Amino acid sequence: DTAVSQTPKYLVTQMGNDKSIKCEQNLGHDTMYWYKQDSKKFLKIMFSYNNKELIINETVPNRFSPKSPDKAHLNLHINSLELGDSAVYFCASSQRYGGGRNTEAFFGQGTRLTVV
Amino acid sequence: AQSVAQPEDQVNVAEGNPLTVKCTYSVSGNPYLFWYVQYPNRGLQFLLKYITGDNLVKGSYGFEAEFNKSQTSFHLKKPSALVSDSALYFCAVRDVGAAGNKLTFGGGTRVLVKP
Repeated sequence: DTAVSQTPKYLVTQMGNDKSIKCEQNLGHDTMYWYKQDSKKFLKIMFSYNNKELIINETVPNRFSPKSPDKAHLNLHINSLELGDSAVYFCASSQRYGGGRNTEAFFGQGTRLTVV
Repeated sequence: AQSVAQPEDQVNVAEGNPLTVKCTYSVSGNPYLFWYVQYPNRGLQFLLKYITGDNLVKGSYGFEAEFNKSQTSFHLKKPSALVSDSALYFCAVRDVGAAGNKLTFGGGTRVLVKP
């Protein structure tokens, strides 16, 4: 009964490849996010979707393309992978309620991407 | 723009002693403030939040935090630390008035509780 689940947990791939990370939440939330955690553990938001609509795109290279088929899923596709894309990618979700506010975000376990 | 500062990269404390992890924030409007904990090779776990109301908020595992508007701080505290509290702690802020409900995180503070 995992709340926010990501697959795969580990991903090792060569430069230039295209890969996807999947995320699903069973909390009934309407907002989902992708965060990137670098080697120094710094966390930075990449994207935010609300009800399948892109809300935030934090100047992420267009090699990164999120796809939200429904509000329970937010997948991340990465084209032409580069060494600098190596990081841990976290999916998260929250629920928007009155006044434009959201509940706290719940995070998945992370996907450790290593580009070689 | 919103930002969070955690001035200490690491905090060392003996088991049974009080633990404090510092956080200051900057937002243009009213803040929502959060603390998360990350154990090795795990995702972030929510500890507590300040939305409105009492400045002292209590959360999971005996942690609490105090919102101080004048000092723009939201320090995390635990009266008696356990070895199992050793982890990476993140403070985060959301500007209530900002679009997108973006959470901005501090750089994290590693807590090491020694037996």
